[in-house]
Amino acid sequence: KNQVEQSPQSLIILEGKNCTLQCNYTVSPFSNLRWYKQDTGRGPVSLTIMTFSENTKSNGRYTATLDADTKQSSLHITASQLSDSASYICVVSDRGSTLGRLYFGRGTQLTVWP
Amino acid sequence: EADIYQTPRYLVIGTGKKITLECSQTMGHDKMYWYQQDPGMELHLIHYSYGVNSTEKGDLSSESTVSRIRTEHFPLTLESARPSHTSQYLCASSESPPGGETQYFGPGTRLLVL
Repeated sequence: KNQVEQSPQSLIILEGKNCTLQCNYTVSPFSNLRWYKQDTGRGPVSLTIMTFSENTKSNGRYTATLDADTKQSSLHITASQLSDSASYICVVSDRGSTLGRLYFGRGTQLTVWP
Repeated sequence: EADIYQTPRYLVIGTGKKITLECSQTMGHDKMYWYQQDPGMELHLIHYSYGVNSTEKGDLSSESTVSRIRTEHFPLTLESARPSHTSQYLCASSESPPGGETQYFGPGTRLLVL
């Protein structure tokens, strides 16, 4: 069964600290993996996208890694800010064609305290 | 910020009422989607469209219906709302193909059916 599991479910860190969010998936065949940030009351916004051949992708203070062999991805946030408080959702696509579908994780709720 | 809009942002209605959730995008995307998301849970695809006059049901069974008469407009209708329909509804759009391209999300409509 194609699934996307994220951990931890929620996380509280102090402003300025780093953190790492995890995503494990069983989706096959694999096309790409995205990390989205969803602020409370808003729609998700794409942070990074990685294909099978990419193992790291950065977007400012956000760095995503992908290990396609172990089917694991992580999102590392450096020097956290209050505005990083949000839900971070891992999304895996099973193929890059018209028939492709997306599998969503439940997200990690990150809270950054001052 | 993506040019995709949803109205209303919040809606409280009584059981049995007919409602239409509006979604519009100005990016000229062919593909549009409706997702349902409960708090702390993953997004579930309920409807999608690959272009004008094309609509398909998603993975999650829904009593709602959609229409795609214009490229930029993808409204969702509930003929008779029930408390079980209480949820957040997110609209998204993307360029082809859906598996290979990023989906851009609207801000969502939070629906409460009393």
